[in-house]
Amino acid sequence: LAKTTQPISMDSYEGQEVNITCSHNNIATNDYITWYQQFPSQGPRFIIQGYKTKVTNEVASLFIPADRKSSTLSLPRVSLSDTAVYYCLVQAGNNRKLIWGLGTSLAVNP
Amino acid sequence: DTGVSQDPRHKITKRGQNVTFRCDPISEHNRLYWYRQTLGQGPEFLTYFQNEAQLEKSRLLSDRFSAERPKGSFSTLEIQRTEQGDSAMYLCASSSPGETQYFGPGTRLLVL
Repeated sequence: LAKTTQPISMDSYEGQEVNITCSHNNIATNDYITWYQQFPSQGPRFIIQGYKTKVTNEVASLFIPADRKSSTLSLPRVSLSDTAVYYCLVQAGNNRKLIWGLGTSLAVNP
Repeated sequence: DTGVSQDPRHKITKRGQNVTFRCDPISEHNRLYWYRQTLGQGPEFLTYFQNEAQLEKSRLLSDRFSAERPKGSFSTLEIQRTEQGDSAMYLCASSSPGETQYFGPGTRLLVL
């Protein structure tokens, strides 16, 4: 399974747009890119998933370039409640076990 | 169905005792996964079921750990002779094949 690399931590302020980039150089043809959010002492919460180009939902956007070796999670106008750890994962098409990295700890300041 | 549920949410036990955790997946999901997460780390895969069949087990799952899903619905994870190193958050997730995994709130285990 492809390994992902993302920044350990990021800081932002309320109302700003936050972009978290993840690299996955060894992504396979059938792999999807999935992002989860996790608050302390809670289970991970699915945010968004994509295969290529751009995906947008009510929470975030996911940008994936043509070579698919990286992806960027975009959180528009963050609030204090967006302070969490964000995990980027590459998920095989048959959706077996997920391989998790350390994630990006996002701190949103007033 | 409101999502994946886990019971208990917290468990404190003494070293050497046995503990059992339960996971109830989203009802239409036939895949169920167990992960373990320690502080500051991402979740680590332990095992997964498709219906009642346990299809994969991690090397992390020592012989003190056993998981079952007898009727293809809820699952239990038992840890025998607990050790302090077993202290962690135990997460359960469920999915349909090829679809997103949805996680429960986790069971936090503390072994004294």
